[in-house]
Amino acid sequence: GAVVSQHPSWVICKSGTSVKIECRSLDFQATTMFWYRQFPKQSLMLMATSNEGSKATYEQGVEKDKFLINHASLTLSTLTVTSAHPEDSSFYICSGGSGRGRSSPLHFGNGTRLTVT
Amino acid sequence: GENVEQHPSTLSVQEGDSAVIKCTYSDSASNYFPWYKQELGKRPQLIIDIRSNVGEKKDQRIAVTLNKTAKHFSLHITETQPEDSAVYFCAAPNNNDMRFGAGTRLTVKP
Repeated sequence: GAVVSQHPSWVICKSGTSVKIECRSLDFQATTMFWYRQFPKQSLMLMATSNEGSKATYEQGVEKDKFLINHASLTLSTLTVTSAHPEDSSFYICSGGSGRGRSSPLHFGNGTRLTVT
Repeated sequence: GENVEQHPSTLSVQEGDSAVIKCTYSDSASNYFPWYKQELGKRPQLIIDIRSNVGEKKDQRIAVTLNKTAKHFSLHITETQPEDSAVYFCAAPNNNDMRFGAGTRLTVKP
């Protein structure tokens, strides 16, 4: 099946630093990449949707200047958490779609557990 | 946009019993409904999905039923086993993304 490789799987950083998370679609072209955040014991909350070659669409309440998303190619999307703070500590997970929109399954990366100290 | 509600939030069953998790959605145009299983610290795994042109789909011990009129769909797990213990999420399309239910923590007691 379709594989999305996400790195790093975990990261610990100091408050104020930036962290970049990469997601690569290995055997399909991810025209769309969804970035989700999951706090402990909670559901997956969509942060933003990115389409290859265009600006990401952010969900209400998600700061676009803090969570920078780049989707420069059909196989790579990155999320950069800038000036991270302890409240940004969470499980971040990407999911690639092959462009069929409303009726195709999502292929998830393994997730990145971010801890900001 | 799409609103997905999932019940119950927690479910505990004895090994061998059946488990049922229900979800409702708001957008009558939605036509694809997946179920994901997430083990602690891991990514969600697609376990079954259904499209709106059928009312039921089975895969061994797992089945999903869909009632388009009532806008709800359910996950049925029969002959539950301890390894079925996990958090289960339903989802429904919202424009080009997926909206997830709040999740159900299923515990299967041996």
